[in-house]
Amino acid sequence: AQSVSQHNHHVILSEAASLELGCNYSYGGTVNLFWYVQYPGQHLQLLLKYFSGDPLVKGIKGFEAEFIKSKFSFNLRKPSVQWSDTAEYFCAVSGRYSGGYQKVTFGIGTKLQVIP
Amino acid sequence: DAGVTQSPTHLIKTRGQQVTLRCSPKSGHDTVSWYQQALGQGPQFIFQYYEEEERQRGNFPDRFSGHQFPNYSSELNVNALWLGDSALYLCASSLSRGPTDTQYFGPGTRLTVL
Repeated sequence: AQSVSQHNHHVILSEAASLELGCNYSYGGTVNLFWYVQYPGQHLQLLLKYFSGDPLVKGIKGFEAEFIKSKFSFNLRKPSVQWSDTAEYFCAVSGRYSGGYQKVTFGIGTKLQVIP
Repeated sequence: DAGVTQSPTHLIKTRGQQVTLRCSPKSGHDTVSWYQQALGQGPQFIFQYYEEEERQRGNFPDRFSGHQFPNYSSELNVNALWLGDSALYLCASSLSRGPTDTQYFGPGTRLTVL
């Protein structure tokens, strides 16, 4: 079975501070990894994804994430946060099956509050 | 290009009742997945439909059932509602070209069971 663990449930930062949100997963095989964001009053949106290749993935709005296979981690980073980054962030994993389809497992989410 | 749409946006039911939620996938997508997001939790996978059949299922009782129509739209049915079913129900669509599909989420239906 696959699972996702997000270490920080609530993070408060000042504008221009650097951000790193931790995400660890457990799964015995090949995985696809995702970060989704949910802004207040909006639906879940894909921030970035990793399927294969370069383990450093760049997403929208200046976010990036690094896949470290040996640590089963996929941490999200941003060098300088803005007030508009206030949102809830979800890490998700899906195991690749021989049937070609996937079930996505989400973490509990991290609420990020950026103070102007 | 319309994204994923869901109806209704809000719903209030009482215990024991039945409910049907609806989802229209993003244009061109053929796969629909349903998730339950309880307050303060991440979305939990209920099941996935492809080619009008349930392809995968999460850890949810048989009270939760679904259907996919030839136009790829989908319904989620929940029978014998109880208080614990109160949650945001999310629909996500994707294109099943292989194991690397990406899911696009709708705004959700907020179900309250009294």
